[in-house]
Amino acid sequence: IAGITQAPTSQILAAGRRMTLRCTQDMRHNAMYWYRQDLGLGLRLIHYSNTAGTTGKGEVPDGYSVSRANTDDFPLTLASAVPSQTSVYFCASSDSGLAGNEQFFGPGTRLTVL
Amino acid sequence: AQSVTQLDSHVSVSEGTPVLLRCNYSSSYSPSLFWYVQHPNKGLQLLLKYTSAATLVKGINGFEAEFKKSETSFHLTKPSAHMSDAAEYFCVVSPFSGGYNKLIFGAGTRLAVHP
Repeated sequence: IAGITQAPTSQILAAGRRMTLRCTQDMRHNAMYWYRQDLGLGLRLIHYSNTAGTTGKGEVPDGYSVSRANTDDFPLTLASAVPSQTSVYFCASSDSGLAGNEQFFGPGTRLTVL
Repeated sequence: AQSVTQLDSHVSVSEGTPVLLRCNYSSSYSPSLFWYVQHPNKGLQLLLKYTSAATLVKGINGFEAEFKKSETSFHLTKPSAHMSDAAEYFCVVSPFSGGYNKLIFGAGTRLAVHP
């Protein structure tokens, strides 16, 4: 079934550790996104990529980095995790990076930083 | 600046009664507007999308929304609630943006459906 997969499903992490959240899509979408979801705040964009080889900063990029080596994969790295990064992380993709395109979401990764 | 306000954080209805989830937006341009639904411990699924065609938009599972520019509203409705409609609903605006396909999310409305 076409869509977006994320790994791991959940993770408990000690503060200061490095962590990479994985995201893969098989829809050949050009654009991909990482969001975090916190209670009462909806989803906030961390980083985006309009096409392979390019990335950009979203609303809350500090403490996170991304790479886009190919069309399908868009990993999110926390270089040194802090408790405020405890959240549910969603990867999404859209056919293009133009405004108004529907974004398709993965199932999410629940991350707890202690 | 663009923003989205969902007027109710929680809505509770009885099965078989109408659903109304309210959303107001602020945008300098004519935006695209979406409603997404999130069932517990799941990702987000698109319910419907407005992109400056018909102002009444029909979506999946019997939901629809009406774009009212004069009121800057995009309320979500359904004539008859089902138990399976219990979920969190997000109103989303996609303003014209030079950099990327930007989505601005409301804080969400949790819909409870009682037997």
